[in-house]
Parts: sequence; structure tokens; C-alpha cells
Amino acid sequence: QKEVEQDPGPLSVPEGAIVSLNCTYSNSAFQYFMWYRQYSRKGPELLMYTYSSGNKEDGRFTAQVDKSSKYISLFIRDSQPSDSATYLCARTNFGNEKLTFGTGTRLTIIP
Amino acid sequence: GAVVSQHPSWVICKSGTSVKIECRSLDFQATTMFWYRQFPKQSLMLMATSNEGSKATYEQGVEKDKFLINHASLTLSTLTVTSAHPEDSSFYICSARDRGSSYEQYFGPGTRLTVT
Repeated sequence: QKEVEQDPGPLSVPEGAIVSLNCTYSNSAFQYFMWYRQYSRKGPELLMYTYSSGNKEDGRFTAQVDKSSKYISLFIRDSQPSDSATYLCARTNFGNEKLTFGTGTRLTIIP
Repeated sequence: GAVVSQHPSWVICKSGTSVKIECRSLDFQATTMFWYRQFPKQSLMLMATSNEGSKATYEQGVEKDKFLINHASLTLSTLTVTSAHPEDSSFYICSARDRGSSYEQYFGPGTRLTVT
């Protein structure tokens, strides 16, 4: 079983729709959870991070963590064509520098 | 924000030759840098972790004699792919951790290596 599982997609939604991206993880010791956005042929950029169960909001983005279910989600409201990218979830342990990434979900927002 | 650069962004080399990729943190000091490899439509796989002034720590299955990593200063790490073969063709991405951060890594734009 992979440490972080993510549906690779691809996922296509119309502009303005709410997007839901999800990951599951297997190791309950994981402390920090991140969402990265990666445009084609570019390095990932950090969108959001969280370390506790619950929701964290930043503009149109909401990260949700459910540690009891080992489930993390990213919601994008009012999706824009510029949101079209691959979204990677990642996790790390407190005090451990290594990031473990999910496979990434390719998202396309259709104008 | 923190910026990490990579050079070159794209390189083609012949099989059997060596290629060096540079990773620089432009506006912060990076005590730790990471090297990842990403094959098409796949996720990032950590190759090695390098700390300034010490030997790199390689992940299982990564040949340290083939992928030479040098982290000579707090702003520069290099990855040399020695005796490259077509199967080494990939997208190589570095990241750097600000010495003041406990978890956040800033990623470079990546280097696309094609071995012919």
C-alpha cells in the first residue's frame, strides 16, 4: 500500500464549479499535510499546509484534514481556467524533513 | 517569497556523458536541499537529501555513484548524472528548506534531461 494515495484523474470541470481533490494516507504518524500545484514542466508550488484536523481556508482554497479517517481534501471554489494544473498532496512527519507525495491529480477547468 | 533556481532548464546529452545540474536558493540560506525525479505523468520521487557541508543521504534504490550530489554552500547544490543512459531521461527537480522552517520546501522550476 502506498503511503499516500491520490486519484490521478484527469478531472475536468466547467469554469466556476467547485472542485474537490482528495488523498488518503496510511501512516497515522503523519503530522503535516500539504497541497502543491504544479503547472506543466514547472516545479511544484505550495498552496496550503495544515497539521490538524478540520478546515483551513485561504481565498478560494480550503484544505480539510480528517485524521480519524486518514483523509485529506482540497476544495477550490469559483474555479478558473488558470487553476488548470496537477495538484499534489504531500505529507511529512514533525521533525522529519522528507516529503512524500501522492501521484497528483490533473485538473482542467473548461472555460 | 523564497526563490529557488535551477540551471540548465533543459539539456540533451549523449549516452555515456555526464551532466551537471545546479540548484540555487536566491534569497535565503538553505541548510538542506532535496533532489527529486519525476517521470511523465508520475509524482515526484525523492532521490536524496543533502545538507550543507556533509555527504548526501540517498533514498533506497538510488545509486550514489551515478547521481553525485554536492552541497558546497548554503545557497548551492549540484547534481551530476554520471555516464548517463536513456533511462535517466527525466525531469529533475530540486527543493530547498529555509533554515528557519520546520517543514516547508521551496521548489525549483526543474531541469528536463534527455539522453540520446
